Amino acid sequence: ETGVTQSPTHLIKTRGQQVTLRCSSQSGHNTVSWYQQALGQGPQFIFQYYREEENGRGNFPPRFSGLQFPNYSSELNVNALELDDSALYLCARSMGRWVSNEQYFGPGTRLTVT
Amino acid sequence: GENVEQHPSTLSVQEGDSAVIKCTYSDSASNYFPWYKQELGKGPQLIIDIRSNVGEKKDQRIAVTLNKTAKHFSLHITETQPEDSAVYFCAAGFGNEKLTFGTGTRLTIIP
Repeated sequence: ETGVTQSPTHLIKTRGQQVTLRCSSQSGHNTVSWYQQALGQGPQFIFQYYREEENGRGNFPPRFSGLQFPNYSSELNVNALELDDSALYLCARSMGRWVSNEQYFGPGTRLTVT
Repeated sequence: GENVEQHPSTLSVQEGDSAVIKCTYSDSASNYFPWYKQELGKGPQLIIDIRSNVGEKKDQRIAVTLNKTAKHFSLHITETQPEDSAVYFCAAGFGNEKLTFGTGTRLTIIP
């Protein structure tokens, strides 16, 4: 087990709604990255937070936003949900911003948009 | 940006045989190449990684090779076991840039 937890495990939303996904860890890993994994695809980088500040963003629109809290837990918010947002959302914790710092993934949140 | 291609998309091997998965990348700046294993209902887990100053790395039954000139790297699993069945992802990146993942290989070990 990686010690990274995500909530909820599954959820179903309607197009146009908003959703908040959460990620926490028992460790002191100060960096969190969020990924979107569509069915049958590899994870795609959404953004990364390092010490509560956004540190890099992938090719995702502004309706994808995030937060990192002083205890290093994190939220991913998605506004105006679209059908294509249906995917597994993964958070990964690491100690430091470098890609070579080992990332520990949570089990993910399965989001279905109808 | 970086583009990572991974082949094959599915692979079935007899238990005890070897499995090889190949990836190519496009950005010559990439210098870190991890491999992840994802089991059903779980997030990806790092199984081995290699940096660009090394051509090969081995960890028990798993090895990774890197050819920087050709921009490709491979995962080798020897003496495969049923618990090796999973989806495997390669990835590439450098510095504090994002990791770019391949599309995955579903490996099935046939008892």
